[in-house]
Amino acid sequence: RKEVEQDPGPFNVPEGATVAFNCTYSNSASQSFFWYRQDCRKEPKLLMSVYSSGNEDGRFTAQLNRASQYISLLIRDSKLSDSATYLCVVPSGGSYIPTFGRGTSLIVHP
Amino acid sequence: GAGVSQSPSNKVTEKGKDVELRCDPISGHTALYWYRQSLGQGLEFLIYFQGNSAPDKSGLPSDRFSAERTGGSVSTLTIQRTQQEDSAVYLCASSLRNTIYFGEGSWLTVV
Repeated sequence: RKEVEQDPGPFNVPEGATVAFNCTYSNSASQSFFWYRQDCRKEPKLLMSVYSSGNEDGRFTAQLNRASQYISLLIRDSKLSDSATYLCVVPSGGSYIPTFGRGTSLIVHP
Repeated sequence: GAGVSQSPSNKVTEKGKDVELRCDPISGHTALYWYRQSLGQGLEFLIYFQGNSAPDKSGLPSDRFSAERTGGSVSTLTIQRTQQEDSAVYLCASSLRNTIYFGEGSWLTVV
């Protein structure tokens, strides 16, 4: 099993739709998780951290399921500007070296 | 701004030449990372510096790649005898605790 796995998509959704992505990880000792957003030909930018209790930031909700070893990102009321690749990040190794998933591509269309 | 700064933004070089890419991390950040991303691919970890500890070089793809970090701040990634497969964007990132912040990257094209 790869350290971090994501469905590459693309997820093609209309404006206003709700869409969810999952990311599975293999290192059960991982403590800190993040979602990053990457626009085409740009650097990844932090979207949100993922806390054990789950967290919400506006239209975005991130959750952690330790038992099944996955994190999720839910986007409500999708906007055209949400079109991007969403990367999950899981720390790995003895030192803190974040491992990035390959990303899930989201395309929001009118 | 006070973000991670990388230079050059773009570099076109001939096969076989050496290149140096520079990264100036966010002030006070003790950890510094180099990643590589080829077009349409995921992020590939290259090297990690933490304070004065020995760097984790486990991601460097060959001995043509090396990196150093002077004074716990600025880092330079050097690629010797560049090959066409080295063409990619090289992303530097820094962090103080768990959250990492990326620079805009150095786009390298080997012709």
